[in-house]
Amino acid sequence: DTAVSQTPKYLVTQMGNDKSIKCEQNLGHDTMYWYKQDSKKFLKIMFSYNNKELIINETVPNRFSPKSPDKAHLNLHINSLELGDSAVYFCASSQGGNGYTFGSGTRLTVV
Amino acid sequence: TQLLEQSPQFLSIQEGENLTVYCNSSSVFSSLQWYRQEPGEGPVLLVTVVTGGEVKKLKRLTFQFGDARKDSSLHITAAQPGDTGLYLCAGASGSGNTGKLIFGQGTTLQVKP
Repeated sequence: DTAVSQTPKYLVTQMGNDKSIKCEQNLGHDTMYWYKQDSKKFLKIMFSYNNKELIINETVPNRFSPKSPDKAHLNLHINSLELGDSAVYFCASSQGGNGYTFGSGTRLTVV
Repeated sequence: TQLLEQSPQFLSIQEGENLTVYCNSSSVFSSLQWYRQEPGEGPVLLVTVVTGGEVKKLKRLTFQFGDARKDSSLHITAAQPGDTGLYLCAGASGSGNTGKLIFGQGTTLQVKP
């Protein structure tokens, strides 16, 4: 059983398009996150949700909109994609801020 | 802004050698976590250290949290090719469910047979 699963694994799209990445966790964790990993492998938090409530929004452009329909799901919708949005996006979950469990990532390429 | 400086960024060694990776900050963290990431996968938690001065061992890996909870180190004894990967330190900022992890830049380790 995959603990944190995100889809799709790869996403290639043109500039200006709108796309979504889905994430689900079956660990019963209260908190879910989106992290962005750049080409230098640096991981930076974008959002966190605790029990469907937005907790952290780290100066991310408004084109990025997370949605948490329930505490097991956290999706990421991106409008008007730009070249600079190309990166690997990771979903993660934790309970009480303890060790995070990460998904296997979505490699987004904007052309 | 809390930052974690991780060094070295790249390390290429022969099988059987020892190595140490350092993670330093001017900020105090409630805990320090170490992750290992393989290509095409997400980071996987290795260990969490919470108490200043704490030392944890995981087989050939030894993790230490500085007394002031601002720095940490990972020491690998007799490295194996299977240890190859990206090692990430991450400091927990904030508390519990409202906190976040701040990551270092990562150390890419290559162990040659």
